[in-house]
Amino acid sequence: LAKTTQPISMDSYEGQEVNITCSHNNIATNDYITWYQQFPSQGPRFIIQGYKTKVTNEVASLFIPADRKSSTLSLPRVSLSDTAVYYCLVGVEGGATNKLIFGTGTLLAVQP
Amino acid sequence: ETGVTQSPTHLIKTRGQQVTLRCSSQSGHNTVSWYQQALGQGPQFIFQYYREEENGRGNFPPRFSGLQFPNYSSELNVNALELDDSALYLCASSGGLAGSITDTQYFGPGTRLTVL
Repeated sequence: LAKTTQPISMDSYEGQEVNITCSHNNIATNDYITWYQQFPSQGPRFIIQGYKTKVTNEVASLFIPADRKSSTLSLPRVSLSDTAVYYCLVGVEGGATNKLIFGTGTLLAVQP
Repeated sequence: ETGVTQSPTHLIKTRGQQVTLRCSSQSGHNTVSWYQQALGQGPQFIFQYYREEENGRGNFPPRFSGLQFPNYSSELNVNALELDDSALYLCASSGGLAGSITDTQYFGPGTRLTVL
C-alpha cells in the first residue's frame, strides 16, 4: 500500500527558513509532485509543483532527488501568516486505476 | 477569471439519504477531482474526471459516484449516507492539457456535509 508521510508538526520563528519533507515510496513514474497550504475550513492552496531536481517560484522552492522517493518544500523566510497545514500530493502506481494521495500533512506553527 | 466554486456551502442530511454536491471548474479547465476531508485529517481522493470520463479513482465504495458535464462542471453523488460520510468535500479543477492525473489542481472552498 502506498504511503506518503510527513512530520506531524514543526515549529519555527518569523524570518527563519523552514524545510518540510515528504516521503513517497510508490510514486508514479510520470507524475508531478505538488505542495499545498491549507488553513482551517478552507480548500488547499497551490504552492509549488515539480517533477525532478529543483523548482523555485516567488514563495517557495521544491527539491526532488533523482529517485523521486521524497521531496522537500523550502519556505525561505516564514511569517506568522504562514502558520498552516502543508501537504504534498503525488500520483501512485499500482492497481487498476490511477490514484492521487495526499501526504499526512505537517502543521507549521510560526512564532514571533 | 472565475475560480472553482462549490454548492451548497453547508448541508445536513440523515443516515440513509442521498446527496448531490456540485462544482464549477475554473475557466479553461477540463478536469475535475473530488476529495473527502474528515475533521483533522488530510484530503482523501475520491475520483477524477477528464473530459467527461473517469480518469482515476480512490478507495471509495460504489455508492460514491460522479458525473462531469460538457461544460466541465461536475457532480458528486453519495447514496445511502452513513455517519462517517460527515466531512468537508473538496472539488479541484485543472487544465489537463495532457490528461495527467497530477496536473496542477486549484481547489474550491468545499461543501461541509453533516450526516445525523
